Amino acid sequence: NAGVTQTPKFQVLKTGQSMTLQCAQDMNHEYMSWYRQDPGMGLRLIHYSVGAGITDQGEVPNGYNVSRSTTEDFPLRLLSAAPSQTSVYFCASSHMDRGETQYFGPGTRLLVL
Amino acid sequence: GDSVTQMEGPVTLSEEAFLTINCTYTATGYPSLFWYVQYPGEGLQLLLKATKADDKGSNKGFEATYRKETTSFHLEKGSVQVSDSAVYFCALSGTGGRRALTFGSGTRLQVQP
Repeated sequence: NAGVTQTPKFQVLKTGQSMTLQCAQDMNHEYMSWYRQDPGMGLRLIHYSVGAGITDQGEVPNGYNVSRSTTEDFPLRLLSAAPSQTSVYFCASSHMDRGETQYFGPGTRLLVL
Repeated sequence: GDSVTQMEGPVTLSEEAFLTINCTYTATGYPSLFWYVQYPGEGLQLLLKATKADDKGSNKGFEATYRKETTSFHLEKGSVQVSDSAVYFCALSGTGGRRALTFGSGTRLQVQP
């Protein structure tokens, strides 16, 4: 199993540009989520999905869109990048059972100029 | 809402020293509790977890006990190694359907030879 994969590893954008961060998992997990990691703030939930066709907002959803057309993929779209979105983005997945371990991807480092 | 508080870092120890990283939480019901570790340039990996009161999670010499009465999940290791240098995150998963993790801000551990 490849686990959770993310692309790209690193990206530089200009303010106002759009892009999609890719996330895929091969563990047949129902639950997938996106977090952003900022210094001194831990990880904060952006959006999550409990299955194909079902998504919902997390703690910091503004400026981001998601969709879940398949179990495997959960892309995160930045509609119009802003410097405040400079961060490291992590995708995670797990089964839905209580107490299940969430598996994280290696992260995408995004710099918005 | 749910929250996790963990001790500020960085924590600097000499090799073979005893480690404690404090973690307390606020949540309704009986959350599942986790410690994740992040090595430089990598994603998060599960270190250990506990899903009910008085459970002890353990892995690689690290231990933490789920204390419902003090709402705590402190991480301990009897003898740290240089290879333990990393950032440690305490997290909880609530009892609702969202399965999202609420993270503490992270504690950086530096172990000197």
